[in-house]
Amino acid sequence: DQQVKQNSPSLSVQEGRISILNCDYTNSMFDYFLWYKKYPAEGPTFLISISSIKDKNEDGRFTVFLNKSAKHLSLHIVPSQPGDSAVYFCAASPWAGSSNTGKLIFGQGTTLQVKP
Amino acid sequence: NAGVTQTPKFRVLKTGQSMTLLCAQDMNHEYMYWYRQDPGMGLRLIHYSVGEGTTAKGEVPDGYNVSRLKKQNFLLGLESAAPSQTSVYFCASRDHQEHNEQFFGPGTRLTVL
Repeated sequence: DQQVKQNSPSLSVQEGRISILNCDYTNSMFDYFLWYKKYPAEGPTFLISISSIKDKNEDGRFTVFLNKSAKHLSLHIVPSQPGDSAVYFCAASPWAGSSNTGKLIFGQGTTLQVKP
Repeated sequence: NAGVTQTPKFRVLKTGQSMTLLCAQDMNHEYMYWYRQDPGMGLRLIHYSVGEGTTAKGEVPDGYNVSRLKKQNFLLGLESAAPSQTSVYFCASRDHQEHNEQFFGPGTRLTVL
């Protein structure tokens, strides 16, 4: 059963516009969420994260929003640039207390294409 | 710093052959992970290690073994490769502090015929 879901396999936006990537989760024990970006033939790279005690985190053009009641998070990219074209994965980390293992549960990924 | 490196980058195996994938990190990280990425499936955790000499099963461990004899290295072994193990394999590492991100290697593309 997929605990972290990205229901949109792909998204296409025009350069300069906003890109919104969505992610849903089912496990209420997740307490930390991350977004990774992946270019072809490379490993994923960390983009931005948010703790469950917050509802928003911003880093330059990237903002992540968390709606705990809906078990939903989204990544906003404003303005979108052609170099943002990549696969974006959301990931969730369960609260582990003293037995922290740092394990992440990943969504399936959304391929973003930003057209010039 | 090289970060996380993986060897080899590509490999083709025949069914039943064995091989070992090597992951190395130079960031003195405690935790290391092996994932596989398949189309439409995201990244799935195979095995992980929370320190030298320790290993644990992840989400999809069957058909794989791991070893962490040195802190900087995490080896993933396939004893008898099957076509279902055709995938891209990623290694990652992170330090022990809570909520720090994982750093990924460039991946190994494995094809089993």
